[in-house]
Amino acid sequence: EAGVAQSPRYKIIEKRQSVAFWCNPISGHATLYWYQQILGQGPKLLIQFQNNGVVDDSQLPKDRFSAERLKGVDSTLKIQPAKLEDSAVYLCASSPPTSPLHFGNGTRLTVT
Amino acid sequence: QKEVEQNSGPLSVPEGAIASLNCTYSDRGSQSFFWYRQYSGKSPELIMFIYSNGDKEDGRFTAQLNKASQYVSLLIRDSQPSDSATYLCAVNMFERAKLTFGSGTQLTVLP
Repeated sequence: EAGVAQSPRYKIIEKRQSVAFWCNPISGHATLYWYQQILGQGPKLLIQFQNNGVVDDSQLPKDRFSAERLKGVDSTLKIQPAKLEDSAVYLCASSPPTSPLHFGNGTRLTVT
Repeated sequence: QKEVEQNSGPLSVPEGAIASLNCTYSDRGSQSFFWYRQYSGKSPELIMFIYSNGDKEDGRFTAQLNKASQYVSLLIRDSQPSDSATYLCAVNMFERAKLTFGSGTQLTVLP
């Protein structure tokens, strides 16, 4: 079974620039998550999709972050404009109903 | 009060010893509990999950859940240097689908 695919693996941008991350979940997994993990901290949920609908985006900084999951499969997470404090690893995860989630390899973002 | 709290460590144990990792959670209605292992520079990987009070064993790993005390732990028997990693506790909150993580405990197993 192929795992959760994410790209790019690494991204370096300057503050105020924009960036986008892509995620392809495990086939058949209806639930997709984007987590932000700052160095030394646990992952923090940014947004959760059930198929192409948003279940929880309460911790998504909506003034600069946006996410979509068209057709209920792939998802993109965008940051515009980026701030220094956005430097983190962005983890995508997916799961079938009532099952534990599985993470992709993540995208390490550095904002300078 | 944090929703999920872990002792950040670092925790060091000698090879062959039992490592004990602890986690407390604030929402009494929490239903599902997970332990993830994260190697440096890697993404978290699921080790175990537990839903009911008591112990659940899988190889060298035992998860323990006490809902009355709002406490979940992970025991690693016969610890190996390859077990050196950060261990993340995660809790699925009552009536909320999201999985909330603690900040993790860094474990070092000394050869």
